[in-house]
Amino acid sequence: EVQLVESGGGLVQPGGSLRLSCAASGFTFSNHYMDWVRQAPGKGLEWVGRSRNRAKSYTTEYAASVKDRFTISRDDSKNSLYLQMNSLKTEDTAVYYCARIWGGGNSFDYWGQGTLVTVSS
Amino acid sequence: DIQMTQSPSSLSASVGDRVTITCRASQSITNYLNWYQQKPGEAPKLLIYAASSLQSGVPSRFSGSGSGTDFTLTISSLQPEDSATYYCQQSYTARFTFGPGTKVDIK
Repeated sequence: EVQLVESGGGLVQPGGSLRLSCAASGFTFSNHYMDWVRQAPGKGLEWVGRSRNRAKSYTTEYAASVKDRFTISRDDSKNSLYLQMNSLKTEDTAVYYCARIWGGGNSFDYWGQGTLVTVSS
Repeated sequence: DIQMTQSPSSLSASVGDRVTITCRASQSITNYLNWYQQKPGEAPKLLIYAASSLQSGVPSRFSGSGSGTDFTLTISSLQPEDSATYYCQQSYTARFTFGPGTKVDIK
């Protein structure tokens, strides 16, 4: 059974940093691109960024709203995806989901349960 | 980035009704359009991928159509458990974008 479990969320002050983790199981993690998607309270879904797989040299993509502040990495030996968030702003407050991309239309076929990040003083 | 719009932003329909949600992209995305259902407090769930392919395990009352810039999600006979918010998402470009969502309520 495919499982994605996020952790690391919490309360952080504006300007602070936080690192989220996503633990994957039930599939060959190293084969897949993995993304982060967030959802501010009461709002819609916003794509955050991507880690491609080893075959694509682990290259990354970022939304303009987080570029130069957030960094996505992965450790295939631990089946884990990470999101390092620096210079956090109040507008980064959201539930952060990790999601797996599969070949069906490059869609997200599996999602984690999400972890809440609150940026507030 | 490609902008996605959805209409309506919300709707209320009765059990058994046919419901259609429209999604439009700011430029052609061929068929790289996916639909998700999200219920309160839950992660999104993939319904339709590549514009018209039904994800495994999704009821056949859900269907998708369209190509280029205009797409639709249809629920042929609305059920109580379909009360949710529906999002379209383009996967044509490296930086994905979602539509703003359509909230579907049951009368």
